[in-house]
Amino acid sequence: NAGVTQTPKFQVLKTGQSMTLQCAQDMNHEYMSWYRQDPGMGLRLIHYSVGAGITDQGEVPNGYNVSRSTTEDFPLRLLSAAPSQTSVYFCASRTSGRTDTQYFGPGTRLTVL
Amino acid sequence: SQELEQSPQSLIVQEGKNLTINCTSSKTLYGLYWYKQKYGEGLIFLMMLQKGGEEKSHEKITAKLDEKKQQSSLHITASQPSHAGIYLCGADISPGAQKLVFGQGTRLTINP
Repeated sequence: NAGVTQTPKFQVLKTGQSMTLQCAQDMNHEYMSWYRQDPGMGLRLIHYSVGAGITDQGEVPNGYNVSRSTTEDFPLRLLSAAPSQTSVYFCASRTSGRTDTQYFGPGTRLTVL
Repeated sequence: SQELEQSPQSLIVQEGKNLTINCTSSKTLYGLYWYKQKYGEGLIFLMMLQKGGEEKSHEKITAKLDEKKQQSSLHITASQPSHAGIYLCGADISPGAQKLVFGQGTRLTINP
């Protein structure tokens, strides 16, 4: 199993550009989430999904869109990048039971100029 | 997350000393997770606690959950340079286990 994979690892954007951060998992997990990590802020939940076709907002959803057309994939879209979105983005997945841990991808480091 | 507070935010200890990191929730805890992150890297799962009074250990790291206080503590005994990093607590604060939120992290430095 590859676990949770994220692409790209690094990205530099100009203000106003759009892009999609890719996330995929091969563990057949129902739950998937996107977090951003800023210095001194820990991880903040952006959006999450409890299954294909179902998504919901987390703590900091503004400026981001998500969709979940398959169990495996959960892309995060920045429609018009802003410098405030410079951060490290982590995707995570877990099974629906609370007894299982959440697995994290390696992260995408995004810089918006 | 404002729902989870970690303390201290930063900790510097001498190698061989013991230390404790705390994580307090303002909401009911349905599950508490501890992760470690090396600088610039991803998150490594350490332990998960579910029941009040539960205590788990892995090597020299012990975590406890006080359900009544809605608090968890992570204790490292005889710290080593390999323990350095950022420790993050995460929690299920919804009954349906749908959202896992995190504290702001504790940056641990071990001095030789």
